[in-house]
Amino acid sequence: EAGVTQFPSHSVIEKGQTVTLRCDPISGHDNLYWYRRVMGKEIKFLLHFVKESKQDESGMPNNRFLAERTGGTYSTLKVQPAELEDSGVYFCASSQVGVWGEQYFGPGTRLTVT
Amino acid sequence: AQTVTQSQPEMSVQEAETVTLSCTYDTSENNYYLFWYKQPPSRQMILVIRQEAYKQQNATENRFSVNFQKAAKSFSLKISDSQLGDTAMYFCAFMKVGGATNKLIFGTGTLLAVQP
Repeated sequence: EAGVTQFPSHSVIEKGQTVTLRCDPISGHDNLYWYRRVMGKEIKFLLHFVKESKQDESGMPNNRFLAERTGGTYSTLKVQPAELEDSGVYFCASSQVGVWGEQYFGPGTRLTVT
Repeated sequence: AQTVTQSQPEMSVQEAETVTLSCTYDTSENNYYLFWYKQPPSRQMILVIRQEAYKQQNATENRFSVNFQKAAKSFSLKISDSQLGDTAMYFCAFMKVGGATNKLIFGTGTLLAVQP
């Protein structure tokens, strides 16, 4: 069974540009989460999808961030326009609905805004 | 709001020895889970161990065990017989049970280096 995959693994963009990160969850996992780790700090929750619906987007920093989950499968996180403080590692995780506990993480996308 | 604190940014241990990583948390909730996740240098984060708050018995997974002190809000991870493959960043995490979302709240992590 394939794990959570994320693309790209690394992205370097200039301030003001747009970047789109993609996450493919484990097949059958209706829960999908986005997290972010800024250098040296804790991993912070961004938002949570259940299928295609946003269950909780309380962690989204501002309206420059837009997350979608088309058809309840893969998800994208777009940052437009990117700012320097958006640099960090963006993690995606998935889990089964009704199963409390383990979330399965992807390898992360390292975003560098210069 | 819940918070998770890991006070040891870096630790080092000799191969085959035992090491304990500290984690404290703050919450007013009574029903929750606690986790230790491990992120090796290859970056994929994996679950090491999980503890349900309602269980008094400490969780154990092979060489990994926890010391869960609910009243003190402490959740330390003990790694016995350390191996080189245990070198990783370790994150302590909290999850409230029963809310609309089961998001994880993480600490800042402890970088563990196992020395040969």
